[in-house]
Amino acid sequence: GNSVTQMEGPVTLSEEAFLTINCTYTATGYPSLFWYVQYPGEGLQLLLKATKADDKGSNKGFEATYRKETTSFHLEKGSVQVSDSAVYFCALNVGAGKSTFGDGTTLTVKP
Amino acid sequence: DGGITQSPKYLFRKEGQNVTLSCEQNLNHDAMYWYRQDPGQGLRLIYYSQIVNDFQKGDIAEGYSVSREKKESFPLTVTSAQKNPTAFYLCASSTNGAGRDQPQHFGDGTRLSIL
Repeated sequence: GNSVTQMEGPVTLSEEAFLTINCTYTATGYPSLFWYVQYPGEGLQLLLKATKADDKGSNKGFEATYRKETTSFHLEKGSVQVSDSAVYFCALNVGAGKSTFGDGTTLTVKP
Repeated sequence: DGGITQSPKYLFRKEGQNVTLSCEQNLNHDAMYWYRQDPGQGLRLIYYSQIVNDFQKGDIAEGYSVSREKKESFPLTVTSAQKNPTAFYLCASSTNGAGRDQPQHFGDGTRLSIL
């Protein structure tokens, strides 16, 4: 089956620190990979995506590279801000209408 | 603005009562989904629909029911058979349910609690 494993949280960083949230996956077929962000009391928003090996998704200073050889899609940001505090979800989709989500990683950025 | 509207934002259920959560989208998306989110856990798929008048069970469909009579609407009923309904419920949609590169667009959720 399909599964997504995320780095366990919570993660607490100081403003301007470097962020890495690890994500690895197993999939039947060739998945597309996604990172979503959820702010308190809201739904998920797409942060970035990559649809094939070696693709790099990027948005708002966040980046993630689709690594097929290590089945990973780690999220990185060079300098986090307080406004980046949220829950981050890694997800995959192999088609047929269903996505598989990780358990989410809570990030808190302190000033 | 296009988007997904979930209502109500907060809902309370009495023992033995069925409640219905509304989800409406004006994105002209074919596929719609319902997820349950519990604290500290990821999203679990309840039901999904790739086309009007058709839907499939997800991983945790027991105690829930849905309908898809219109493209823009996908209401979820939490029945009295669902013994632990307290959770945050998220509705989502995507352009094409069969495509693997389509992201999902989410509503802001409904928080259901037991009285």
